[in-house]
This record gives sequence, C-alpha cells and structure tokens, in this order.
Amino acid sequence: NAGVTQTPKFQVLKTGQSMTLQCAQDMNHNSMYWYRQDPGMGLRLIYYSASEGTTDKGEVPNGYNVSRLNKREFSLRLESAAPSQTSVYFCASWDRTEAFFGQGTRLTVV
Amino acid sequence: AQSVTQPDIHITVSEGASLELRCNYSYGATPYLFWYVQSPGQGLQLLLKYFSGDTLVQGIKGFEAEFKRSQSSFNLRKPSVHWSDAAEYFCAVGSGYSTLTFGKGTMLLVSP
Repeated sequence: NAGVTQTPKFQVLKTGQSMTLQCAQDMNHNSMYWYRQDPGMGLRLIYYSASEGTTDKGEVPNGYNVSRLNKREFSLRLESAAPSQTSVYFCASWDRTEAFFGQGTRLTVV
Repeated sequence: AQSVTQPDIHITVSEGASLELRCNYSYGATPYLFWYVQSPGQGLQLLLKYFSGDTLVQGIKGFEAEFKRSQSSFNLRKPSVHWSDAAEYFCAVGSGYSTLTFGKGTMLLVSP
C-alpha cells in the first residue's frame, strides 16, 4: 500500500518554464489537496478537489492550475514558473478524518 | 473563516523535561483537530486527532493533547522529551465539510 505518491522529488526550473507535479493515491479517497510549505508560513492550501471532476481554489492559487484526472490522480501545473514559487509542495489525500501526505516535491525556480 | 494559531515559533526543551506546544483555533462549528509532526526533509506524520468524546486524546510516540472548547485550544503535551522528538510540529483544524487548515508550526529543539 503506497499511500500518496508524488513525483518528482526534486526539480530546478528556470523562470518562465512550465512543469507538472504529479500526485497519485491508492486509498480510494474522494478528496485531494495541494499545499505549499515555506519557512515560517506553515502549509498553505493551493487547490483542492473534493471529488473526481471538481476542483476549487485554496488560499494561494495564483500561478497554478490543477487537474483531477481521475479518482487516483491530482496534478499541479505551473505554466510560467517564478522565483516566488520556490517552495516544497505536498499533495495530500483526505478521507474526512485524516489527511495522508506524500513525501513532497522540493522545487527551486532560478 | 477557520484559522489556527501556534504562538511559539521555536521552543527549546531539555531532554527528559516535559513539553507543551500551544495551539488555538477558530472554527464555526465542532472542529476536527489534528497534530502532525515533520522531521527535516520528510513528509508529515499524524500524531493524534480529536473528533468528539473524551477531550484528552492519546497519540503515537507518547504524545497526548487536550481539547478545551472554552479556550479554543488543543495543546500538545509529552511528559518526557527524547532527542528524537526534535522536529517541527503542526496543529490543524478541519472537518468532514471543510478543508484542512494548518498553523505555521512550532520548531522543537531538544538540548542535552
């Protein structure tokens, strides 16, 4: 049982480049989340998906897009990366009683 | 809007001493409350959670937390800290009908 799997684990982008962070869960949960973690800021919600086919903005959605491809997969896309998007990104799967986290993606935008 | 406040950014505790990490929340209904721990370079691990019932909840690694509705608090405690407890701790609030909101975290340092 893998839980929540994120890829890649590390990524360096140049300003203006695009990329997609992948997330998959094998727990059959309806809800999935994308957070970013910055020093002293805790985890801030970027986007979430309460169920397959739905997505909603969180606290810090600007510069990001998401796709809930199916019940298992929830991807986060940066269309034109900016240095302010340097962060650690976490995907989570939520069964309404507990959130299960991936190991994170450390993204640096130079 | 729901929110979580962790007043202490850093706390240093001597090994073997007791620990209390503070968490205050704002939520319009009965909250679900969580404590997560994060070791450097790692993901988040659930320590304990509260939904209802007994206001003192036990978690993994010898941690416990007490829900006090009158104070809107959910403080984390441990009677005797070990060096391996050094990590960052996050309090979170949510429910089955809302998203999960985290505090900014408290970094625990353990001195010999």
